[in-house]
Amino acid sequence: DAKTTQPPSMDCAEGRAANLPCNHSTISGNEYVYWYRQIHSQGPQYIIHGLKNNETNEMASLIITEDRKSSTLILPHATLRDTAVYYCIVRVDPLYNQGGKLIFGQGTELSVKP
Amino acid sequence: EPEVTQTPSHQVTQMGQEVILRCVPISNHLYFYWYRQILGQKVEFLVSFYNNEISEKSEIFDDQFSVERPDGSNFTLKIRSTKLEDSAMYFCASSPQGGREVWEQYFGPGTRLTVT
Repeated sequence: DAKTTQPPSMDCAEGRAANLPCNHSTISGNEYVYWYRQIHSQGPQYIIHGLKNNETNEMASLIITEDRKSSTLILPHATLRDTAVYYCIVRVDPLYNQGGKLIFGQGTELSVKP
Repeated sequence: EPEVTQTPSHQVTQMGQEVILRCVPISNHLYFYWYRQILGQKVEFLVSFYNNEISEKSEIFDDQFSVERPDGSNFTLKIRSTKLEDSAMYFCASSPQGGREVWEQYFGPGTRLTVT
């Protein structure tokens, strides 16, 4: 699985958009980008995933650059409850690696401030 | 919404003792995992389990560790002889079977293991 690089920490004002970057310059064609988050002392929580198209769900949007070497997770209206560590993870297509493990890095610690 | 549950939430044990951490995965899931997180460090994969056997394990998962699905609902992690460095939060996770449906791993709330 490709390595990812994220800033160690970021701040965001409540109600504003939080944009969390991730570099994955060695990503290969069959690898997907996943985002998980971990609120303090809780289990990680899936947010969103994508291959090359931008994706949106009820939690967030994922923007992947055309060359797929980086991506940005967007929380459109951050709340205090979004304060957490956010992990960007690159994984081989589950179709070819069913049940594969998640490899967590250090992630980005997002602090949403009032 | 279905969720993964883990018991106990906190386990204190003495070095050298055996511990069993219990998990109830989501009922229709078929892939099961254990991860651990030492305080202040990143989440680390321990083992994955499918079709009643280990499908992958990390270097951390040595002979002191074992997993079992003793019945149709529980998934357990046993540490035979605990060491101080086994102190960590242990997370169980599960995911559904099949094709690209295996997108998400659903994590439990964790068991905090303290070895004294």
